[in-house]
Amino acid sequence: GAVVSQHPSWVICKSGTSVKIECRSLDFQATTMFWYRQFPKQSLMLMATSNEGSKATYEQGVEKDKFLINHASLTLSTLTVTSAHPEDSSFYICSARSLAGGPETQYFGPGTRLLVL
Amino acid sequence: GQNIDQPTEMTATEGAIVQINCTYQTSGFNGLFWYQQHAGEAPTFLSYNVLDGLEEKGRFSSFLSRSKGYSYLLLKELQMKDSASYLCAPYNQGGKLIFGQGTELSVKP
Repeated sequence: GAVVSQHPSWVICKSGTSVKIECRSLDFQATTMFWYRQFPKQSLMLMATSNEGSKATYEQGVEKDKFLINHASLTLSTLTVTSAHPEDSSFYICSARSLAGGPETQYFGPGTRLLVL
Repeated sequence: GQNIDQPTEMTATEGAIVQINCTYQTSGFNGLFWYQQHAGEAPTFLSYNVLDGLEEKGRFSSFLSRSKGYSYLLLKELQMKDSASYLCAPYNQGGKLIFGQGTELSVKP
């Protein structure tokens, strides 16, 4: 099946620093990638939708200047958490939708666990 | 807006059958997904219903009633490895998956 990777799988950083998370579709091209955040014991919350070559669309309440998303190619999207604070500690998951398929061709990455000290 | 409701927790016995219900209200409904998520891992796809009715896939089946805004996931012959969170996710015309809070299923021996 289709594979989506994320890097790094976990990261610990100091408060005030920036962290970049990569999401790659390894064996298919993705027109659209989605970024989710999940706090412990809670469900996935959609943060933003990114389309290749255009600006990301952010969900209500998500600060676009804090969570910078770049979708430079059909196989790569990045999420940068700028000036990270302890409350940004969370599980960040991306998903990628295949260029060729319908809604069921949306595949999730393994997630990145971020801990801000 | 969107509103998704599913039970927070359920417990069942190994070998039994369990039904996890989900009710939803969403604009521009285009179908409904069910995902399984083990702790600390990403969700894995279980089913996608577009039309009304029951779709069976091995031990897992999913039902949809669009007019009632209702779906359920049926798990048969429960195994210990089925202990996980089950996420109901309506899919709207905007192309987004919006997840419910999830149902934490515990399978006991």
